[in-house]
Amino acid sequence: KNQVEQSPQSLIILEGKNCTLQCNYTVSPFSNLRWYKQDTGRGPVSLTIMTFSENTKSNGRYTATLDADTKQSSLHITASQLSDSASYICVVSAPGSARQLTFGSGTQLTVLP
Amino acid sequence: DTGVSQNPRHKITKRGQNVTFRCDPISEHNRLYWYRQTLGQGPEFLTYFQNEAQLEKSRLLSDRFSAERPKGSFSTLEIQRTEQGDSAMYLCASSLEDRGGKLFFGSGTQLSVL
Repeated sequence: KNQVEQSPQSLIILEGKNCTLQCNYTVSPFSNLRWYKQDTGRGPVSLTIMTFSENTKSNGRYTATLDADTKQSSLHITASQLSDSASYICVVSAPGSARQLTFGSGTQLTVLP
Repeated sequence: DTGVSQNPRHKITKRGQNVTFRCDPISEHNRLYWYRQTLGQGPEFLTYFQNEAQLEKSRLLSDRFSAERPKGSFSTLEIQRTEQGDSAMYLCASSLEDRGGKLFFGSGTQLSVL
């Protein structure tokens, strides 16, 4: 069964600090991996997409990494801001049908002043 | 058209009542998805349309649930005889077929069944 496991489940950090969120997946075959940010009461918004051949991709203060051999991804947030407080969801896509998007349960990040 | 629009944002209903939600996708997107999300969990796939054709349905979509996309534009999700277990956030997303699966989500409809 395709699964996406995220850790930690929740994380509290102080403003200005860095943090790293983890995503392990068992989805096979693999098409791509996305990280989404979901603010409370809103829909998820795509941050980055990683394909099989990509190891690192940055989007501002967000840097995603992918190790397709070990089926692991991470999202590193640099110099956190209060507005980074949100749930970060890892989504792995398999080629084929639309249902082949496997969502993780998310990491709830809280940034404190 | 700046994004995916969902209405209503919140719905409170009594058990046994029927409810209907509407989703207006980004206008040029041919794919439309419905997801259900409960607190602390990622979205769960419900159903998917390509243009007006409903191509896939999850087994989560019991016979009390029905979705339509009559003209390949907006979509509706109806839940009949609501149960307390239906309480959740119902998310709609749309995408272009050739964009590597990037979904654009609406803000969702939060359903509370009392």
